[in-house]
Amino acid sequence: DTAVSQTPKYLVTQMGNDKSIKCEQNLGHDTMYWYKQDSKKFLKIMFSYNNKELIINETVPNRFSPKSPDKAHLNLHINSLELGDSAVYFCASSHVATSGNNEQFFGPGTRLTVL
Amino acid sequence: DQQVKQNSPSLSVQEGRISILNCDYTNSMFDYFLWYKKYPAEGPTFLISISSIKDKNEDGRFTVFLNKSAKHLSLHIVPSQPGDSAVYFCAASADGSGNTGKLIFGQGTTLQVKP
Repeated sequence: DTAVSQTPKYLVTQMGNDKSIKCEQNLGHDTMYWYKQDSKKFLKIMFSYNNKELIINETVPNRFSPKSPDKAHLNLHINSLELGDSAVYFCASSHVATSGNNEQFFGPGTRLTVL
Repeated sequence: DQQVKQNSPSLSVQEGRISILNCDYTNSMFDYFLWYKKYPAEGPTFLISISSIKDKNEDGRFTVFLNKSAKHLSLHIVPSQPGDSAVYFCAASADGSGNTGKLIFGQGTTLQVKP
């Protein structure tokens, strides 16, 4: 029974296209996140939503737009894809949006390749 | 500017011996540190954490040590097992981030435990 799921697992697309990645969690958590793992392997926070409200918006191009229809879902839409967007994108969730012992549960990742 | 660094990209140890994974940070405002473990094609999973008011936390074979003056933490695995082979990420959070749940990750260390 998957806790945090992402679709698709792999996404190969051309430059300039628009694509979406979906994320769902069945843990009853209030907070969801999107991370990007680039070629240097760093996991960097992109966005965070708490009860459908945006609380973290790092310095991310506005071609990236998160959407949270309800607190169990956080989708990531990317417009006008560029080569540099190629990365693995991880969705995560946690019980509350607190600092400190904030155990986050991660999805399996979506490997995006832009050609 | 990377605030959390794992300077060893990889580590190889013999089964039964100790594995020591290191992590350095620059932001003195960090007050909680977490270790995550990641297998290929899966998302990171939480392993162990430590508050900045402690210098040691132990959970079974896993112990995390924190040296605040040196801004350094380490994860010890004793005894190491082949199933411990994975990528280990160090992460940090700070209350100063305003209850956003933001985690700053290092770039990971790949541990290989040889039978």
